Amino acid sequence: DAGVIQSPRHEVTEMGQEVTLRCKPISGHDYLFWYRQTMMRGLELLIYFNNNVPIDDSGMPEDRFSAKMPNASFSTLKIQPSEPRDSAVYFCASSSSFLLGSPLHFGNGTRLTVT
Amino acid sequence: KNEVEQSPQNLTAQEGEFITINCSYSVGISALHWLQQHPGGGIVSLFMLSSGKKKHGRLIATINIQEKHSSLHITASHPRDSAVYICAVLMDSNYQLIWGAGTKLIIKP
Repeated sequence: DAGVIQSPRHEVTEMGQEVTLRCKPISGHDYLFWYRQTMMRGLELLIYFNNNVPIDDSGMPEDRFSAKMPNASFSTLKIQPSEPRDSAVYFCASSSSFLLGSPLHFGNGTRLTVT
Repeated sequence: KNEVEQSPQNLTAQEGEFITINCSYSVGISALHWLQQHPGGGIVSLFMLSSGKKKHGRLIATINIQEKHSSLHITASHPRDSAVYICAVLMDSNYQLIWGAGTKLIIKP
């Protein structure tokens, strides 16, 4: 398996623009997580899905952030409008049987810079 | 007090040394994860533990559920082991994943 695939690897955009981050989980995994990592806060869970349904979005910073999972093989995280404080590395991770303690598999991340 | 505490925060050692990184937690858990993040940024899952001990190559992870403590050991450390090692616990009450702050390990040749 190719692992969790994220795109783009790097994104540089201007304040106010819409940003869309993409994730393809490992085939067969029924849990998908979006994390944000900054120096100040470390890894923060933004939202996670189980069987394409959002389960916990309490980590989503505000209404500017939205996430969708239209099918089992694709998810997006959208920021509109983007702000400089959104600059971070965004990781997607997937897992099977996560509640039974199965490992998390991370993508390589998307480094977002908002100027 | 953080629910997951890692120690030390930073560790520098010479190649070949035996390394121990500790993780203590204060909540009931169903599983504990050890992950590795390399300087390039990628995160790799090393172990998932719910009891006992696991070994993979030069890495050993142990957990003591009663003491709410886990350790990650690296034998015969090598410069390529230099990374941030992160402990995360899966709470048994609400299945939230609580992350430690990470331990930055540098192995000098």
